[in-house]
Amino acid sequence: DAGITQSPRHKVTETGTPVTLRCHQTENHRYMYWYRQDPGHGLRLIHYSYGVKDTDKGEVSDGYSVSRSKTEDFLLTLESATSSQTSVYFCAISVQGYEQYFGPGTRLTVT
Amino acid sequence: KQEVTQIPAALSVPEGENLVLNCSFTDSAIYNLQWFRQDPGKGLTSLLLIQSSQREQTSGRLNASLDKSSGRSTLYIAASQPGDSATYLCAGLSGGGADGLTFGKGTHLIIQP
Repeated sequence: DAGITQSPRHKVTETGTPVTLRCHQTENHRYMYWYRQDPGHGLRLIHYSYGVKDTDKGEVSDGYSVSRSKTEDFLLTLESATSSQTSVYFCAISVQGYEQYFGPGTRLTVT
Repeated sequence: KQEVTQIPAALSVPEGENLVLNCSFTDSAIYNLQWFRQDPGKGLTSLLLIQSSQREQTSGRLNASLDKSSGRSTLYIAASQPGDSATYLCAGLSGGGADGLTFGKGTHLIIQP
């Protein structure tokens, strides 16, 4: 257990509404990541962070933004949710840039 | 761009058998390779990490190997048990510590009692 929590764990929202998912870690790891998991696609990287206010895009970043104002929190925002963003979202941390540990996930449904 | 493939997509074996799960990757400049287990509706549990300078790692009944020249990794599970039933994912890290993992689509394993 790498001390990673995600909130909310489940959310149903309507198309066009903004949504923010939160990832919180307790061990001050520098690297944090957001992935989404979809049937047929597996897990894909959305955004990642290598420090406070230092973020970069991953493979499927369109429609998503992130922020990291504190070491322990990494926020993922869907500015205007679409049905294609229905997915399970996982946050991860990297220990010294090597092994990655994952949070429990957030199941998001956009209706 | 790194691509990771896992074969087979699904596997069902009787309890007690030894088995091998396969993972192949396209970029031989892989930094490390990590194996995960995922139970239905749950998150990912890290099983083994093999760094590029290593050839294999062992944890209990699990042994993972890495052959960068052939672009392959295998996960060997000895004396399989029904509790081993899960989806197994391999993922490669091609860049430095800041980069995310590239995942295969997984092997869904069922161990029959």
